[in-house]
Amino acid sequence: DTAVSQTPKYLVTQMGNDKSIKCEQNLGHDTMYWYKQDSKKFLKIMFSYNNKELIINETVPNRFSPKSPDKAHLNLHINSLELGDSAVYFCASSQSSREHEQFFGPGTRLTVL
Amino acid sequence: LAKTTQPISMDSYEGQEVNITCSHNNIATNDYITWYQQFPSQGPRFIIQGYKTKVTNEVASLFIPADRKSSTLSLPRVSLSDTAVYYCLVGGTDKLIFGTGTRLQVFP
Repeated sequence: DTAVSQTPKYLVTQMGNDKSIKCEQNLGHDTMYWYKQDSKKFLKIMFSYNNKELIINETVPNRFSPKSPDKAHLNLHINSLELGDSAVYFCASSQSSREHEQFFGPGTRLTVL
Repeated sequence: LAKTTQPISMDSYEGQEVNITCSHNNIATNDYITWYQQFPSQGPRFIIQGYKTKVTNEVASLFIPADRKSSTLSLPRVSLSDTAVYYCLVGGTDKLIFGTGTRLQVFP
């Protein structure tokens, strides 16, 4: 049983398109996150949600919009994709009482052509 | 914002103890220190977390000096399967900053 799942695993698209990445966790956690890992393997947090409320909103272009329909899901929608958006995007979840013990999904490799 | 830095890479041999240090000079009072392991094409995996002094679990130890400006992940008796990238993570509820990552290569 997958704890944190992401779809799709690979996403190849053209510049200017709009795409979404879905994330679901079945751990019963109340906090979810989106991270970006660039080609140099640097990991940077983008957003975190606690009980569907936005907690961390790092400086990312407003083309990126997270959406949390419920505690088990945190989707990432990206408008007007640019070449620099190419990266691996990781979703993660944790329980707020143990917020630093995060469980990560397998990642979505986004390639913008 | 806190900046966390780590050595880019380290080499070791099977059976040795490996110590990986993370520097976080601007750590805030409420920040915790967490370490993650990442294998290729996988998401990071939690190893250990601490606030101060020493923490030990079944796979690693974490040493944090009194000033908390650095932390050291200690892996006892590494094996080939410990070859991975190790990240420290510093932060609290409203901020999370990953270190630059240390690529550990374990040789037979």
